[in-house]
Amino acid sequence: DMKVTQMPRYLIKRMGENVLLECGQDMSHETMYWYRQDPGLGLQLIYISYDVDSNSEGDIPKGYRVSRKKREHFSLILDSAKTNQTSVYFCASSLRYFGPGTRLTVL
Amino acid sequence: GQQVQQSPASLVLQEGENAELQCNFSTSLNSMQWFYQRPGGSLVSLFYNPSGTKHSGRLTSTTVIKERRSSLHISSSQTTDSGTYLCALATGGNNKLTFGQGTVLSVIP
Repeated sequence: DMKVTQMPRYLIKRMGENVLLECGQDMSHETMYWYRQDPGLGLQLIYISYDVDSNSEGDIPKGYRVSRKKREHFSLILDSAKTNQTSVYFCASSLRYFGPGTRLTVL
Repeated sequence: GQQVQQSPASLVLQEGENAELQCNFSTSLNSMQWFYQRPGGSLVSLFYNPSGTKHSGRLTSTTVIKERRSSLHISSSQTTDSGTYLCALATGGNNKLTFGQGTVLSVIP
């Protein structure tokens, strides 16, 4: 069963705190993605990972970093979160399979 | 300028009516996809369609690359079809997806 998982599904943080969003896939896809979705802005690409330790900035990488130490696992890290990073974050495995999303609120 | 433009932005149908959603793109592409997103939900890939016509149940996708357009036809709409339909282009060698702004479809009984 092809699946992309994301944890946590909902998260509330205070400004300045660190945030870790996690994504997993069971399809052995090499390429994984992190997007954020905001009303009026649509889906925007944050980072792409082409395989373990092979990551590339997307369109809006500022304020984010990523880690991929295993092919099946891709993390998005916000060091010192800001209120404008409140959003819904989606992970994708290959171009076709999206996770359920993480709704992040930064107060 | 915007690479992917979808129209209409929103659409209200009576159950049973047909819908035609459009996606126009301004660059060459590697692939074109149509996704469905329920409010508050994730994206589900409906079609991966570099060119030509594909069918899936009541859905038909047609992409004409030389005219830089793709359409999604929904026949005999149902209330469960309500949601947002997104088209997305993969361009260049890095397989990066660029999304349109989406069409919000509401099907009323």
